[in-house]
Amino acid sequence: IAGITQAPTSQILAAGRRMTLRCTQDMRHNAMYWYRQDLGLGLRLIHYSNTAGTTGKGEVPDGYSVSRANTDDFPLTLASAVPSQTSVYFCASSEGDSRYGYTFGSGTRLTVV
Amino acid sequence: GQNIDQPTEMTATEGAIVQINCTYQTSGFNGLFWYQQHAGEAPTFLSYNVLDGLEEKGRFSSFLSRSKGYSYLLLKELQMKDSASYLCAVMDSNYQLIWGAGTKLIIKP
Repeated sequence: IAGITQAPTSQILAAGRRMTLRCTQDMRHNAMYWYRQDLGLGLRLIHYSNTAGTTGKGEVPDGYSVSRANTDDFPLTLASAVPSQTSVYFCASSEGDSRYGYTFGSGTRLTVV
Repeated sequence: GQNIDQPTEMTATEGAIVQINCTYQTSGFNGLFWYQQHAGEAPTFLSYNVLDGLEEKGRFSSFLSRSKGYSYLLLKELQMKDSASYLCAVMDSNYQLIWGAGTKLIIKP
């Protein structure tokens, strides 16, 4: 693993089903983030975690939950998927020094039908 | 509210120069970032400005004016591989990134 790994790469999901998107990093970054990206809109923050054991809500948290049991893993769960959650989901992480910005995973393309 | 504005799309010719503008209004300022995103891929870091002025990095330069809430990304000697979306983002007072919708840059031969 080098950087951030997301799984799955893509998924078609029936509405109402539960789904967990996985995110693992090997850079020992304290902060991790989940974004969704929709056509014509900027990246929108769903949830974040500043350090293991803590999480916070972003701009669009409804319908999503996260956990941060350790430094490396930051899974995102859709409890009951709806079509409006069709999007590309990116996991990102950052060091404490803000000048390096965020490192992104390759994304998960989710389609809810 | 917080807002980042950048043009939706720009077209330029291979070998030419293009300037992508970004204006922002945010609660606090801890730096401005430019990212490049090729279609179907993740954003990748290009530049960071926290003080006024120009930062040059090879063919790419980024400028910041904090008093005007304004930045631009300058791309010189354009190559076909520069066809991508360019995302402007500002780190606010909570050290979280606020993102613009991105500028799709189309390079024509």
